[in-house]
Amino acid sequence: GENVEQHPSTLSVQEGDSAVIKCTYSDSASNYFPWYKQELGKRPQLIIDIRSNVGEKKDQRIAVTLNKTAKHFSLHITETQPEDSAVYFCAASRRSQAAGNKLTFGGGTRVLVKP
Amino acid sequence: DAGITQSPRYKITETGRQVTLMCHQTWSHSYMFWYRQDLGHGLRLIYYSAAADITDKGEVPDGYVVSRSKTENFPLTLESATRSQTSVYFCASSTGQGSYGYTFGSGTRLTVV
Repeated sequence: GENVEQHPSTLSVQEGDSAVIKCTYSDSASNYFPWYKQELGKRPQLIIDIRSNVGEKKDQRIAVTLNKTAKHFSLHITETQPEDSAVYFCAASRRSQAAGNKLTFGGGTRVLVKP
Repeated sequence: DAGITQSPRYKITETGRQVTLMCHQTWSHSYMFWYRQDLGHGLRLIYYSAAADITDKGEVPDGYVVSRSKTENFPLTLESATRSQTSVYFCASSTGQGSYGYTFGSGTRLTVV
């Protein structure tokens, strides 16, 4: 099955700096890569996703890049703000009815933005 | 999102007891999932369902049972709770079409003593 590795496990940045979280996946058939943000005591919420036919996607201060050849994808947060402090999860899946649309998650990255 | 709800939010049970966690969604999403979240392990898939009466095992199914007689409900039962099943349980749903992103419920924090 799919295996997703996520690094780093913790990340501390100064407010205004950029944060980068990296993930690698094992299944070359995976074609959907979402990122979730989980604030303390809350549910994970989808913040951005990318499909395998796209190399990069941006949404305001966040962007995701995908390198299919190397089987890795990254989340970039620019101009970090204190409200960006949370745990971030990457995930991967093979989008097909047969595969059941199952997401395999990375272990998470705890991001702390220091004012 | 109020469209997917879990109950109870918190539960304390004793070892060996049966406990059922409820999940209800109002969107008629085809896919529903149960994950458990533990420190150091992220989110791990327990069971999932592609439609009513169709369920399949995920990564960590042992000790759990699911059913899906109606599209909107996907209960998770711990047949004989063990301390290792102390965790936060999240239910999620997805349309399976277009965006494949999940919407998660608020979670159930289960403690087995």
